Amino acid sequence: AQKITQTQPGMFVQEKEAVTLDCTYDTSDPSYGLFWYKQPSSGEMIFLIYQGSYDQQNATEGRYSLNFQKARKSANLVISASQLGDSAMYFCAMRGVGDMRFGAGTRLTVKP
Amino acid sequence: EPEVTQTPSHQVTQMGQEVILRCVPISNHLYFYWYRQILGQKVEFLVSFYNNEISEKSEIFDDQFSVERPDGSNFTLKIRSTKLEDSAMYFCASSVGQGVWGSSVADTQYFGPGTRLTVL
Repeated sequence: AQKITQTQPGMFVQEKEAVTLDCTYDTSDPSYGLFWYKQPSSGEMIFLIYQGSYDQQNATEGRYSLNFQKARKSANLVISASQLGDSAMYFCAMRGVGDMRFGAGTRLTVKP
Repeated sequence: EPEVTQTPSHQVTQMGQEVILRCVPISNHLYFYWYRQILGQKVEFLVSFYNNEISEKSEIFDDQFSVERPDGSNFTLKIRSTKLEDSAMYFCASSVGQGVWGSSVADTQYFGPGTRLTVL
């Protein structure tokens, strides 16, 4: 069975600093995709970044990067130069064979 | 930029009533999904739909739920007889592909803004 774990229920970061949101996963699927979504207080789910399990390089999208360590089964999201608008819930998700599973989320608060 | 749309944004219903939640997926996407999120909890998969049939469903998706693509653009979720515990945010999502192994960026699911369902 697939499992996604986000161990940080809440994180605080100072504006303009970088922050890492942790995500570990467990799967026996040989190939899978990892995704991060942002959910602001308005409730929508916004796709941020994708990492394929066979990708050789860590994914990057603007200020978002994914620190993918396959042997450790971790896919941490790094947000550089945090902005006040980054305050939101962040969900890690994985899809291998079967449906997409989400972690419990991390609430990030950016302090001015 | 194309996006998934959902209507209504908020639905209030009485227990035992039927509700239909509507979604318009992104036009060139082939795979459609419904998820729910009970307040403060994680996002849970309900069902995936491709080529006019259900491809996967979770244990949550029991006989009270059904999905339909009534025309070329809409994708609907029907709850036949709502219960108090059906109160949640319901998200529709769509993707270009759904690789067997889920390892392509084409598998990325784009979510709609959600419908908040309140069952009284």
